[in-house]
Amino acid sequence: EAGVAQSPRYKIIEKRQSVAFWCNPISGHATLYWYQQILGQGPKLLIQFQNNGVVDDSQLPKDRFSAERLKGVDSTLKIQPAKLEDSAVYLCASSLGTSGRNTGELFFGEGSRLTVL
Amino acid sequence: AQSVSQHNHHVILSEAASLELGCNYSYGGTVNLFWYVQYPGQHLQLLLKYFSGDPLVKGIKGFEAEFIKSKFSFNLRKPSVQWSDTAEYFCAVSGGYNKLIFGAGTRLAVHP
Repeated sequence: EAGVAQSPRYKIIEKRQSVAFWCNPISGHATLYWYQQILGQGPKLLIQFQNNGVVDDSQLPKDRFSAERLKGVDSTLKIQPAKLEDSAVYLCASSLGTSGRNTGELFFGEGSRLTVL
Repeated sequence: AQSVSQHNHHVILSEAASLELGCNYSYGGTVNLFWYVQYPGQHLQLLLKYFSGDPLVKGIKGFEAEFIKSKFSFNLRKPSVQWSDTAEYFCAVSGGYNKLIFGAGTRLAVHP
C-alpha cells in the first residue's frame, strides 16, 4: 500500500516570499490533516479536512496560510507571505474516517522541511 | 482545551535497560490515547493505541502502555531497550472529530 506522499521534501525561501506544499493521502482515506512541527516541539494541527470540507482550522494563521482539498483527494498548503517563524516541518497525514476502530490512527508522510531566511 | 504533557525531553539509556516515558493529558471527555514514534530519517508511525477496555495495551516491538484514568496518564514502557529503539516518541490524545493533539516529544538515545 502506498503511503502519504508529500513534496517538496525541502524548501528554502526568504521572508515575505510564498511557498506551496502538496500532499497526496493514502487512497480511500477520507480525512486529511496538515500539521506544523517546529524544532523541539510536537506536531501542531493546522487544518483538518473530511473529504473536501474543513473540519477544523482553528489554529491556521489565516492571514498568511491557506489550504485546499478541492476534489477530496490531494491537498495543497500555501504560505504567503512567509515569516521567519514559519520555519518548520509541515506534515501531512491521512486517516480512514472519524468513526470506528480506526479513529485517531493517522498515517503520516515524510514531511516538507521549510527554512525561511 | 486539550493538552498533552511529556515529562522527559531527553532520555539516555544503555541497551537492556528498562524504559518508562511519562505522559499526562488534559481533556474533559472520553479520549483515545496514542504513542507515535519517529525513527531517525523516517516518518511518524503508530506504536500503540488505547480506545477502551483493558488499560494495559501492547504495541509493536515489545512496547506497552498503561492508561490510568484517575491520574490522566498513559505512560509508555519497555522492559529492555535496544539500540534500534533510538527515536523520538510522541504521546497524543484524540477527542472529538479525530483531532490528534501531540505532546512535545521525548528523544530517546540508546547506547550499545
